[in-house]
Amino acid sequence: SAVISQKPSRDICQRGTSLTIQCQVDSQVTMMFWYRQQPGQSLTLIATANQGSEATYESGFVIDKFPISRPNLTFSTLTVSNMSPEDSSIYLCSVGAGFTYTEAFFGQGTRLTVV
Amino acid sequence: QKEVEQDPGPLSVPEGAIVSLNCTYSNSAFQYFMWYRQYSRKGPELLMYTYSSGNKEDGRFTAQVDKSSKYISLFIRDSQPSDSATYLCAMSGGSGGGADGLTFGKGTHLIIQP
Repeated sequence: SAVISQKPSRDICQRGTSLTIQCQVDSQVTMMFWYRQQPGQSLTLIATANQGSEATYESGFVIDKFPISRPNLTFSTLTVSNMSPEDSSIYLCSVGAGFTYTEAFFGQGTRLTVV
Repeated sequence: QKEVEQDPGPLSVPEGAIVSLNCTYSNSAFQYFMWYRQYSRKGPELLMYTYSSGNKEDGRFTAQVDKSSKYISLFIRDSQPSDSATYLCAMSGGSGGGADGLTFGKGTHLIIQP
C-alpha cells in the first residue's frame, strides 16, 4: 500500500481566487488520479496524471479550470482556478496500485469551501 | 441512468447483525470490482477487490460479483459499531484496467447500533 499526504486538509477561499492542492506519496507511482466528492454525489474522476505526460481530463473538466502538475513520481498538484461556490467539495488524490492499477489508495482529502 | 447505482441509506442495524450492501451497474465492460470504506472526514480505504464474477472472503467481509445480473454485494458478518461508515462500491474495466480511473457508486451510510 502507499501512504498519501494531501495539503491543505481544508480551506475556505474567496470566489475568484485559486487554490493549489498538493499530493505527496511515500513511494514512486506511475498512475495518479484526482477525484472530486461533492455532497451526496459519487466520487468523480477529474483527471489522470502520469509523470512525463500531460494530464488526461474527464468529460466536464478542463485544464484551464483544473490545471495539474506531475513533476516526478511521488508528487502532484491540482489547482482549482477562479473558484465559485459550486467548486465547494472534497478533492481527493489517489494512486493506482497492482498490476492493473485497480487497487487504488487515497489521501485524506482536501475540504474546500468557497464563499 | 447512472453507470453505478447504490442506495445511499442510511442503513441502521443492531450490533452482531449481518449487513448486506449492494450496487448495480450498467456497463458490461467492468471487470474489476472494489469496495471501499470511508469514515467521516477521511479518504476511502480499500476493503475488498474482486476480478470478474465470484465470491471473495476476508475475515468478516465477503464480496460477491454476479456479472450476468450486473450486481455486486458486500456482506459484513458479526457487525460491530466500528463498522459504522460509508461504504462505496467502485469498478473499472476494459483493457486499461484501473488506468482509466474508477467509477464509484454514491456510497451507503451504514450505522451499527450498539
